[in-house]
Amino acid sequence: DAKTTQPNSMESNEEEPVHLPCNHSTISGTDYIHWYRQLPSQGPEYVIHGLTSNVNNRMASLAIAEDRKSSTLILHRATLRDAAVYYCILFTSGTYKYIFGTGTRLKVLA
Amino acid sequence: NAGVTQTPKFQVLKTGQSMTLQCAQDMNHEYMSWYRQDPGMGLRLIHYSVGAGITDQGEVPNGYNVSRSTTEDFPLRLLSAAPSQTSVYFCASRPHRGRFNTEAFFGQGTRLTVV
Repeated sequence: DAKTTQPNSMESNEEEPVHLPCNHSTISGTDYIHWYRQLPSQGPEYVIHGLTSNVNNRMASLAIAEDRKSSTLILHRATLRDAAVYYCILFTSGTYKYIFGTGTRLKVLA
Repeated sequence: NAGVTQTPKFQVLKTGQSMTLQCAQDMNHEYMSWYRQDPGMGLRLIHYSVGAGITDQGEVPNGYNVSRSTTEDFPLRLLSAAPSQTSVYFCASRPHRGRFNTEAFFGQGTRLTVV
């Protein structure tokens, strides 16, 4: 299964943008890049996903490198409610498995 | 539309006891899976199913059994509980096994303690 690498933790000030990086150098051409986040004491929730092009939704933006070996989740204005563990996952064509890594714990400072 | 429902929310077992964690979804999703999350760790895949009657092993399947007799339900059975199975268990479902651009929905978790 393709692997992802994320920093263990990051900090951001409230109402500032946050860029959460993810490396996936072994990604294959049909792997989708998915992001989830897990708030304290809750199950993971979907944030965004993409294949090749940058994506935007109401929660965040996803910037994908041209060679697809890395991506960045962008929270445009962090709030205290965005404090969570963020997981970058590759959803591999031909399998049906989400394999989670250790994720990035985001701390938002008031 | 309740989404993914897990029961119970909390459970304490004695070593050697067996039990079943229940997971039900009302979204007609084909794909369902079970994860465990140990303190301070990410989620690890235990078993998954791509439809009724079809199951397969994930990363950490030992000590757990699953079956999928209906689309809605995907129970996880602990055959003989061990302290190493103390964890939070999450069930997830996805709309279609053949589509890779859809999101998964997770339950709120079952916190299991084995003493």
